[in-house]
Formats: sequence, structure tokens, C-alpha cells
Amino acid sequence: RKEVEQDPGPFNVPEGATVAFNCTYSNSASQSFFWYRQDCRKEPKLLMSVYSSGNEDGRFTAQLNRASQYISLLIRDSKLSDSATYLCVVIFDRGSTLGRLYFGRGTQLTVWP
Amino acid sequence: DTAVSQTPKYLVTQMGNDKSIKCEQNLGHDTMYWYKQDSKKFLKIMFSYNNKELIINETVPNRFSPKSPDKAHLNLHINSLELGDSAVYFCASSQGRIFVAGANVLTFGAGSRLTVL
Repeated sequence: RKEVEQDPGPFNVPEGATVAFNCTYSNSASQSFFWYRQDCRKEPKLLMSVYSSGNEDGRFTAQLNRASQYISLLIRDSKLSDSATYLCVVIFDRGSTLGRLYFGRGTQLTVWP
Repeated sequence: DTAVSQTPKYLVTQMGNDKSIKCEQNLGHDTMYWYKQDSKKFLKIMFSYNNKELIINETVPNRFSPKSPDKAHLNLHINSLELGDSAVYFCASSQGRIFVAGANVLTFGAGSRLTVL
């Protein structure tokens, strides 16, 4: 079983739609969580960190559910420019990871006009 | 100014050849990484150096040899290339090795697409 699992999609939604992605992780000792965005043939870039209490950044909301071991990303009012692959990133054992981040395979989103 | 730059961006070569990919960062970070993204899009860490010291060495064939001449550079040399080495190789850097929410962002280079024929 992979450390981090994501539905690869693709998700195809119209502009203005609300879309949500989930990501599950296998290690209950996981400490830190992030969402990265990767455009086609580009490098991954940090979208947002995920805090225990959940956090919002404009149209993007990230949630963490430790009991069920998943994190989610909600995108409201989708824009064409949101089309990308969204990578879930998890760190296990924060104190000793030495920078070892585990990436999910990504969820592909296409927003159409 | 590119923060993490990799060269070459594209590399097409024959099986059995030896090739290198270079990476430089101008962010003043002390930790650098090599990641491999295969055709299934999984990003997997290969190596990490902190202040020129190897700190992460995942299960990677010893045909892959990283070299860090200084903390701003991390090069990847691959011997006897195989078809399965075809992938996109990303260099990345961070300040510090421990990642917590809201801190220590991992910054990636644009990637080097290696195709082995």
C-alpha cells in the first residue's frame, strides 16, 4: 500500500464549480501535510500547508481529518487557471524525517469554460 | 532570476551511455534533493544533501551518483543508462531538513526530462 493515496481523476468541471479532492495516508504518525500544484510539464509548487484546524486561502480550503487519516482540498468558484495536477504531500515522524516528504501521485483537474 | 536551475532541460540518449544533470540554487538554502517522477507521475526522493553531506540515500541503483561540490550545487551522474531510467528528474532545495506546516518550503527546479532509447 502506498504511503499516500490520491484519486488520479481526471476531474473535469465547468468554470465556477466547486470541486474537492481527498488524499489518504497510511501512517497515523504523520505530522505535516501540504498541497502542491503541478502544471503540465512544470515543476511542483507549494499551494498551501494544511493545519490541524483546517485553513483557507482565498478560494482554497484545506482540511485535515486525523481520525480517518485523510486531508482534503476544496476549490470554490473554479477558474480556468486552476487546471493542474494537485499533489498531496505528507511527512511522517516530523522530528526525524530529514526532509523526507511523501508525495501522492496527484489528482488531475481540468476546468472548462 | 531562477531560484533552482537545472541543466539540461531535455536529454535524449542511448542505453549504456553515461550522463549528468546539474543543479544550482541561489536561494541560500542548505539542503538539496533529487527527485524522480516516473510516467505514472509519482515523485520519489532519491537523494538529499545538507551542507554537502549526504543525508538521504533511498534505494537507488548505484549507477546513480550524486555529487555536491558546495551547498549551492547538487549534480546527478548516471552510469550505464537503462530504459527504465527514463523519467523527469527534479532538483529541489530547502532551508533546513525538517518540514512543518507553514515553514521550510521545498522549491523545485523546472525538471530535466531524460529519455533513454
